[in-house]
Amino acid sequence: AQKITQTQPGMFVQEKEAVTLDCTYDTSDQSYGLFWYKQPSSGEMIFLIYQGSYDEQNATEGRYSLNFQKARKSANLVISASQLGDSAMYFCAMREGGGDMRFGAGTRLTVKP
Amino acid sequence: DAGVIQSPRHEVTEMGQEVTLRCKPISGHDYLFWYRQTMMRGLELLIYFNNNVPIDDSGMPEDRFSAKMPNASFSTLKIQPSEPRDSAVYFCASSLYGVGQKHYEQYFGPGTRLTVT
Repeated sequence: AQKITQTQPGMFVQEKEAVTLDCTYDTSDQSYGLFWYKQPSSGEMIFLIYQGSYDEQNATEGRYSLNFQKARKSANLVISASQLGDSAMYFCAMREGGGDMRFGAGTRLTVKP
Repeated sequence: DAGVIQSPRHEVTEMGQEVTLRCKPISGHDYLFWYRQTMMRGLELLIYFNNNVPIDDSGMPEDRFSAKMPNASFSTLKIQPSEPRDSAVYFCASSLYGVGQKHYEQYFGPGTRLTVT
């Protein structure tokens, strides 16, 4: 069964505006971690932000924030003040226990000038 | 730290040949993962190791694929014989072991772009 769902294959945003990338997940574990990665056209996978299932506050890292709604099992990534360099693929991922990490299909974000 | 190191960065080979991809994880990391990325199938987990021991290889496509981790600083992914459908980017990633409520991110290598003709 698909554990991570990203329903937006592609998104467009105007430069300097905020954008939300959706992610829902499925798990029966109480302890898990949620992650977002960025993959620019150059191909590398860049870790952006982490949210633990027991963290009471939403994670923030600079212009990135994670809108964590545990009851809804959603972990949306919010990018504020979009920049042209934010154009990339974005992957949501979940890690249960100490083991493997499962990735969603990704969302391709294009920032328009 | 140098990060996760993968070699080669690009590999072009003919169908039927053996291909060996190499990975050096970040020193001190307990976990090592091999992924394959294609346009059609996205990012697939092939196998992962914990303390050099294979934990889950259910993602390995078939017997043509094998992976080893002889020590904490080196892993290989081998394809023998290779086929055109194996063409993909292969990523190696490493991470620390999660303790309690903390789950650690994976650090990815730059990937190996494999083309099988």
